[in-house]
Parts: sequence; structure tokens; C-alpha cells
Amino acid sequence: LAKTTQPISMDSYEGQEVNITCSHNNIATNDYITWYQQFPSQGPRFIIQGYKTKVTNEVASLFIPADRKSSTLSLPRVSLSDTAVYYCLVGDNTGRRALTFGSGTRLQVQP
Amino acid sequence: DVKVTQSSRYLVKRTGEKVFLECVQDMDHENMFWYRQDPGLGLRLIYFSYDVKMKEKGDIPEGYSVSREKKERFSLILESASTNQTSMYLCASSLGQGFSNQPQHFGDGTRLSIL
Repeated sequence: LAKTTQPISMDSYEGQEVNITCSHNNIATNDYITWYQQFPSQGPRFIIQGYKTKVTNEVASLFIPADRKSSTLSLPRVSLSDTAVYYCLVGDNTGRRALTFGSGTRLQVQP
Repeated sequence: DVKVTQSSRYLVKRTGEKVFLECVQDMDHENMFWYRQDPGLGLRLIYFSYDVKMKEKGDIPEGYSVSREKKERFSLILESASTNQTSMYLCASSLGQGFSNQPQHFGDGTRLSIL
């Protein structure tokens, strides 16, 4: 099963770019990579999803190398409001691996 | 926007009580999920449902049951509450077939304390 590994925590300052890397060495051919963001006292919120190369939306970019064994969530010019826990999920449509959240990465943005 | 509403933000119950946590979504989603979240353990899947009256066990179903009589409503039941079920409970829904390529939409959670 594709298991994900993320850093437990990261610190940054306002205005910096933040890159959070997720390792998923056993990713399968049909697996997608999905990232969620969770603020305190709220449920997680979908940020971005990708299969290969690069995906960008109004919130973040997701970089996936050719071997797909890792992925990097990039948050441009973070602000204090980006302080949250970020989860990387890997899985396909046929099973429950896409529903396994893990402990996530706690990002603290300082002024 | 999809709205997933959980009936209570905070709930206090006693050991041995039967507890119902209710979740309603307003976007006609086929899939609905119940998770619990504990410090250091992330979110763990309790049960999910991909259709009315259908249910599947997640990773930690012991001590819980669920009910889905209508498409928009998914209930989590603690048959006989115990203190180790004190947790934050999160409900989610997603559209259509499959789980990975449809984002889940979460409610804001119910913080349940069992005394």
C-alpha cells in the first residue's frame, strides 16, 4: 500500500514561499495525489490534486516528478492565515487508501 | 458551495449512553464518511457509505455503527459510549464514483466528550 511520509512541522515567515514534500515510494499506477488543509476547529479543506508533472490553481501548485515517488505542495508568499495542518493523500478510486490522512504537516507562519 | 452540516459542535455524554451524531449534506453527493481525529493520530476513517442504505467499515469501526436512510443524511451511532470514544468527529461527503479523484467536503466537526 502506498504510505505517505511528511515532515511533522515546518516554520516560515510571511511573504516566503513554502514547499512541503510528501514521500510516497510505493505509489501505484492509478493513484492520484491529493492535498488538504486544516485550520484549528475546522474540517479539512481540499487544496489541490494531481497525477503527474505540475498542477496549479489559485491557492497552490503541486509538483510531481516523473517517478511520482514524491510530491511537493508549494504555497507562494504565505501569510499568517496559511498557518494550518497540511495532509497528503495517495490512492485510487477502487479502495480506501485515498481516504487515509495520516498526521499531516503543521505549518506555522510567523510575522 | 457544498455545505456539510453536523448537528452539534460540542456534545457531552455519559459512559454507557447511546449517542447519535448527525450529518447532512446539501449537494446530492453519493459518498459520505465519518472520521475521528485525535492528537497525533490524524484523521481515521470509521465508516463510509457510497449509496443509501449501503455502508462499509473503515479502519476503526469497533464500537460504532452508521445509518443512511436518505441520501443527504449519514448518522454515526455509538451503541454504548465509552471514555475512549472522546474525540473530534468529522463528517464528509464527495461526489460520484470512486474516492480519489473527487475531493471530500468536510463539516466543522463535533467535539464529543464521554464522562
